[in-house]
Amino acid sequence: DVKVTQSSRYLVKRTGEKVFLECVQDMDHENMFWYRQDPGLGLRLIYFSYDVKMKEKGDIPEGYSVSREKKERFSLILESASTNQTSMYLCASSRRTAQFSTDTQYFGPGTRLTVL
Amino acid sequence: AQKITQTQPGMFVQEKEAVTLDCTYDTSDPSYGLFWYKQPSSGEMIFLIYQGSYDQQNATEGRYSLNFQKARKSANLVISASQLGDSAMYFCAMRELNTGFQKLVFGTGTRLLVSP
Repeated sequence: DVKVTQSSRYLVKRTGEKVFLECVQDMDHENMFWYRQDPGLGLRLIYFSYDVKMKEKGDIPEGYSVSREKKERFSLILESASTNQTSMYLCASSRRTAQFSTDTQYFGPGTRLTVL
Repeated sequence: AQKITQTQPGMFVQEKEAVTLDCTYDTSDPSYGLFWYKQPSSGEMIFLIYQGSYDQQNATEGRYSLNFQKARKSANLVISASQLGDSAMYFCAMRELNTGFQKLVFGTGTRLLVSP
């Protein structure tokens, strides 16, 4: 069965702390994604990775960085957490999509991060 | 730029009735794919149904069907015979297939509440 896991369901951090959100998939997918979900704004793409050590900025990369040292693991890093980064963070993975493929993305359960 | 619009923040329906969730999209790419996801209170995004821009027929998956009107750029989700377990957030998403074909863009979502 398809599986994407995230290291924490709930996380509380203080302003200025360095925060690591971990995501692991067991489907041997090439692509991995980090989204942020806020009420009324839907899901917005922060970063995605299409291969090990490869990354591309999404729509809202400011204040975030990512790391992908192994194919199955994709980490989201908040170098210095701020209160406006309080949000739900969702990780997803997918196969390297052929141009006309119907392949979907598979999502983890999400991490609800609160920055105080 | 690609865009997804969901104009219904919330919808109410009685059990066993049908409900339509609206989605309109905007893209200049003639080749694209449209997705619907369900997000229960547990937080995980669940893929429901897919429609390709060149598909001649509307997609169906069990109680879910997609009312695809290409000229109007709409891709509404129809849930027949609603069940209490259908109460959730529903997101429409699009992937352009000629450019940025790895990424999904999401709408802001519709919260569906099914009452007994």
